[in-house]
Amino acid sequence: GIQVEQSPPDLILQEGANSTLRCNFSDSVNNLQWFHQNPWGQLINLFYIPSGTKQNGRLSATTVATERYSLLYISSSQTTDSGVYFCAVHSGTYKYIFGTGTRLKVLA
Amino acid sequence: EPEVTQTPSHQVTQMGQEVILRCVPISNHLYFYWYRQILGQKVEFLVSFYNNEISEKSEIFDDQFSVERPDGSNFTLKIRSTKLEDSAMYFCASLGRAHGYTFGSGTRLTVV
Repeated sequence: GIQVEQSPPDLILQEGANSTLRCNFSDSVNNLQWFHQNPWGQLINLFYIPSGTKQNGRLSATTVATERYSLLYISSSQTTDSGVYFCAVHSGTYKYIFGTGTRLKVLA
Repeated sequence: EPEVTQTPSHQVTQMGQEVILRCVPISNHLYFYWYRQILGQKVEFLVSFYNNEISEKSEIFDDQFSVERPDGSNFTLKIRSTKLEDSAMYFCASLGRAHGYTFGSGTRLTVV
């Protein structure tokens, strides 16, 4: 099955800093989403981005499907950005395979 | 924005007891899912449901698990005889064409 790897596994930032999170996947995919899991455990949909680039406020994402990776950019980070960021992909069936996540902590 | 609603948010149960986790997916979605996340680990697929039947299930989804859409709006996950290792966050999700998955806020199941 598809393997999904995320890097870095852990990231500590000072408030205001920018960061790039990466998601690599081992095979072609039909869809890809980025989620933020907040400290209460909720999975918040950030981007549905099978290809191309999208922006939503301080966050943006780019998926290069032909090269099997996606990037999530966080600019001017805030303490509320803390949590775990997951990418999830699916191919063929509609089952999503989640990556292992990037745990982000933003310090005030 | 439409939401997926899960109840209860937290359930504590004795080992060996049956639990039913409830979900109300987004009304015009056709595909429904259960995922689980053991504390500190990644989110794992359990089962997908389409057209009133299971379309795919993982090896985790053994005979102790079942799903049902009893009334056209609710979508339930039943665990017949809970084990300690069933303690996890359980997420329901539904799939829409344009926006991908929408997850519910989860049910934290604690088996004691």
